[in-house]
Amino acid sequence: SQQGEEDPQALSIQEGENATMNCSYKTSINNLQWYRQNSGRGLVHLILIRSNEREKHSGRLRVTLDTSKKSSSLLITASRAADTASYFCATVHYNQGGKLIFGQGTELSVKP
Amino acid sequence: DGGITQSPKYLFRKEGQNVTLSCEQNLNHDAMYWYRQDPGQGLRLIYYSQIVNDFQKGDIAEGYSVSREKKESFPLTVTSAQKNPTAFYLCASSPSAWGVGYEQYFGPGTRLTVT
Repeated sequence: SQQGEEDPQALSIQEGENATMNCSYKTSINNLQWYRQNSGRGLVHLILIRSNEREKHSGRLRVTLDTSKKSSSLLITASRAADTASYFCATVHYNQGGKLIFGQGTELSVKP
Repeated sequence: DGGITQSPKYLFRKEGQNVTLSCEQNLNHDAMYWYRQDPGQGLRLIYYSQIVNDFQKGDIAEGYSVSREKKESFPLTVTSAQKNPTAFYLCASSPSAWGVGYEQYFGPGTRLTVT
């Protein structure tokens, strides 16, 4: 069963604004990953954050993880029209063979 | 040029026919995965393989079959027993499925339409 719940389902912002997407999960994780999917394409890995980490950065991306609340957030700063895509969180749980459990995704639209 | 290839990009079949989707990787990854994505939804795991000649069912394996005879290849067959086969199918691979998680590398996907 899917564990990741993402919020919001859709987000529309202007270029230059920040975009924040949230992900919650139900049971303890080994790590949590964020992926991006452009329309009709495969997924691209963005960031992996392990359960003992609280924050990670990659370029304009910042991911936080709060294991006490079983939640994570992805912040995209100074967004660009090219950031328009769907963003998925995926959790990896112990004793499940490295399987990714995906959330439903957040559809981000960045207007120029 | 390393990566994962899926072919074809679009596939059309008549109801009642089996169809096989191709997935090849040259990343030397041990683990390979098949996912299904329906419109506006996240990915659901169909089958995965952690090593050659071994594979396990995912969350929605009914109506699908796979084989893993070579490390670089993990074809998926959508059988006539699959009730709603029309979907976007994504193949992925990772260095290993054992122990801690690794990022997965995805192919471009195959959009299957069954009428």
